[in-house]
Amino acid sequence: KQEVTQIPAALSVPEGENLVLNCSFTDSAIYNLQWFRQDPGKGLTSLLLIQSSQREQTSGRLNASLDKSSGRSTLYIAASQPGDSATYLCAVRSNTGKLIFGQGTTLQVKP
Amino acid sequence: DTAVSQTPKYLVTQMGNDKSIKCEQNLGHDTMYWYKQDSKKFLKIMFSYNNKELIINETVPNRFSPKSPDKAHLNLHINSLELGDSAVYFCASSQGGGGAKNIQYFGAGTRLSVL
Repeated sequence: KQEVTQIPAALSVPEGENLVLNCSFTDSAIYNLQWFRQDPGKGLTSLLLIQSSQREQTSGRLNASLDKSSGRSTLYIAASQPGDSATYLCAVRSNTGKLIFGQGTTLQVKP
Repeated sequence: DTAVSQTPKYLVTQMGNDKSIKCEQNLGHDTMYWYKQDSKKFLKIMFSYNNKELIINETVPNRFSPKSPDKAHLNLHINSLELGDSAVYFCASSQGGGGAKNIQYFGAGTRLSVL
């Protein structure tokens, strides 16, 4: 049974810092991995999707990496801003189409 | 123009009642989903429909019945509501197929409170 874990559960950093969020999964037989952002009281917004054959994806100040063999992904946020404050969710998609989510990392970026 | 819209946004009801949550997507996607996010913020898939056919049905009580009248709509009906059903329910849709088409687009959620 696939399990997804995110560490840390919460993170507070001063504005401008670079930071890394971690995601690990127990079954390496994944189709892809996605990082989402969730703002309080809102739905999820997809940030990056990495196919199982890829090692990383970049979008602006965000870079996500995938190491399938070790069951790990990281989301790197460069030069963090207060507007980055949100909960970041990692989800792996199985070959059957199910998305299995971690519990998220709640990020606070202080001005 | 909202891509995935759910109604209502908030739903407060008594135990034992029957309620429905509606979801519509205007993205032309083939696949729609229902997720439940509990009080610990853990998001779990409940159902998935592709072109009106059920393709994922997790271990969900049969009090929960999804209905897809067409591929743009996936409604969730809940019978005999229980306290433990209190959660935020999210609808999502995706194009289906490979690559970026797998990206799921989420609605804003329906916060259900059972009293």
